[in-house]
Amino acid sequence: NAGVTQTPKFQVLKTGQSMTLQCAQDMNHEYMSWYRQDPGMGLRLIHYSVGAGITDQGEVPNGYNVSRSTTEDFPLRLLSAAPSQTSVYFCASRAYGQAGNQPQHFGDGTRLSIL
Amino acid sequence: GENVEQHPSTLSVQEGDSAVIKCTYSDSASNYFPWYKQELGKGPQLIIDIRSNVGEKKDQRIAVTLNKTAKHFSLHITETQPEDSAVYFCAASISGGSYIPTFGRGTSLIVHP
Repeated sequence: NAGVTQTPKFQVLKTGQSMTLQCAQDMNHEYMSWYRQDPGMGLRLIHYSVGAGITDQGEVPNGYNVSRSTTEDFPLRLLSAAPSQTSVYFCASRAYGQAGNQPQHFGDGTRLSIL
Repeated sequence: GENVEQHPSTLSVQEGDSAVIKCTYSDSASNYFPWYKQELGKGPQLIIDIRSNVGEKKDQRIAVTLNKTAKHFSLHITETQPEDSAVYFCAASISGGSYIPTFGRGTSLIVHP
């Protein structure tokens, strides 16, 4: 059981380039989300999905696109990278449940630098 | 929406001392409060959580307390060890459904040997 897998682990881009950050989970979790982590800012939600075919914006969605064609995968796309998007990106998933604990399971992150 | 404040942002203790991290939340509907530990180069991992029908929960050296009236909850680590050094995040959410947790900004705990 791999949990949440993020690729790549590191990436350097030039301003204006595009790329896709990959996220896959093998726990059959309905919910998946993307966060960015910046010093002193904690974890800020970018986009999230409550199931295949359904996505919604979080706190800081500008400059990012997502799609959810399968339960397992939730890629994050940067269409035109900007230096302000230099950050560490975390993907997380959790199970659906009416009651009981539903903690988030996080990947180990993608460290992205935009030059 | 929910707002979670976390203090302190940095906490430095000697090995063997206790450490306390405090969080406050704004939405009285929140009823699930997890704590995550993030080691260097890794993603956050759940270490303990508490629900609103419980005032305190312990797991070995870690405990969490919740005061729903005051809307604050705290993480207590006793007999700290160097491997406890990490960034700790609190979060608040409504259990179940599609609710997304709101995270605090994190506390960097440094345990000096």
